[in-house]
Amino acid sequence: ETGVTQSPTHLIKTRGQQVTLRCSSQSGHNTVSWYQQALGQGPQFIFQYYREEENGRGNFPPRFSGLQFPNYSSELNVNALELDDSALYLCASSDLSGDTQYFGPGTRLTVL
Amino acid sequence: KQEVTQIPAALSVPEGENLVLNCSFTDSAIYNLQWFRQDPGKGLTSLLLIQSSQREQTSGRLNASLDKSSGRSTLYIAASQPGDSATYLCAVLNSGGSNYKLTFGKGTLLTVNP
Repeated sequence: ETGVTQSPTHLIKTRGQQVTLRCSSQSGHNTVSWYQQALGQGPQFIFQYYREEENGRGNFPPRFSGLQFPNYSSELNVNALELDDSALYLCASSDLSGDTQYFGPGTRLTVL
Repeated sequence: KQEVTQIPAALSVPEGENLVLNCSFTDSAIYNLQWFRQDPGKGLTSLLLIQSSQREQTSGRLNASLDKSSGRSTLYIAASQPGDSATYLCAVLNSGGSNYKLTFGKGTLLTVNP
């Protein structure tokens, strides 16, 4: 059973650019959730995807968007990057029951 | 709206001491509660998960308790070691209608001094 993987590990962008982060779910999991963790804070829920459809969203603007693919891997896209988007982005996969989420190692995004 | 609070924000103890980290949450309608460890600049490592029907879980030197009705959980670490130094995060799982989401506290930064 493979774990959750994320790419890239680190990323540096400038304000106004766009970024795509990637996540591969744990084998057998069809639900992916994305979280943003700013420095010194706990992770905040961005949104969740289930069977390629958005299935709930936290308090994030529309420039944060996502995709889930038929193999249940997922992308997080952020347009018009702002300095405050600098954070660790975590994805977590879960099975149909949804009661346990398994986290990937995260992508560290720095916006200059 | 679920809110999770962790006390203290930071804790420094000498090696060998037993310690307790506290977590409280405002909405008791949770499915489970999970304690994570996070090393600087790294991702989350799950330590213990307590289902809403359970009162406690143990793993090695760690013991987590849950009092759902009062909205409280504690993480007890016995015989602390310098390698336990990290940020400890508490998270509760709620249903958000059609989805399940975790709500995290801000964490407790633990330093164990040799």
